[in-house]
Amino acid sequence: NAGVTQTPKFQVLKTGQSMTLQCAQDMNHNSMYWYRQDPGMGLRLIYYSASEGTTDKGEVPNGYNVSRLNKREFSLRLESAAPSQTSVYFCASSRDNSNYGYTFGSGTRLTVV
Amino acid sequence: KQEVTQIPAALSVPEGENLVLNCSFTDSAIYNLQWFRQDPGKGLTSLLLIQSSQREQTSGRLNASLDKSSGRSTLYIAASQPGDSATYLCAVNQDDMRFGAGTRLTVKP
Repeated sequence: NAGVTQTPKFQVLKTGQSMTLQCAQDMNHNSMYWYRQDPGMGLRLIYYSASEGTTDKGEVPNGYNVSRLNKREFSLRLESAAPSQTSVYFCASSRDNSNYGYTFGSGTRLTVV
Repeated sequence: KQEVTQIPAALSVPEGENLVLNCSFTDSAIYNLQWFRQDPGKGLTSLLLIQSSQREQTSGRLNASLDKSSGRSTLYIAASQPGDSATYLCAVNQDDMRFGAGTRLTVKP
């Protein structure tokens, strides 16, 4: 059971570079989410996709864009990375956005220098 | 805006003790509440999911309760073991999950 798969696991970027974090789930879930986790601040929602074809902003969307490529895949793009985006990024999915729990990927540790 | 608070931030207990982790939230209009475990440098593992209509859920040595009207949930861990050492996160679902900052638990042999 793969569950939620994130790539890459680690990445170092220079300020101003761009990159895309990939997320795929194999559980036929409708809803997918991107969170960032920073020390002492818990997880904060960046963007989510309640269903295929829709995306919405979360708490901290500035500096990010997302694409729900299909039902399985939800990518997060940093167009011009900043040191403030140094964080651990988690992708999650759920069967829907209200009645079911979330399943998380193992995370991407991103450092922007 | 939903605020989720976990107390204490850190807890250290000797092996074998029973312990309670606390979670409080400000808006009681939630769909469900989920407890997670996170080991250092790892992702989140789901422990228990409580729907808003439920009062508690049990899995092995873990028992989670929910009092939606007072905005509180507790995670009870019985007969703690060193392998239970991890950070425990509480999250409430109102169309999306909002997380507390977690309780870092250390169980000493």
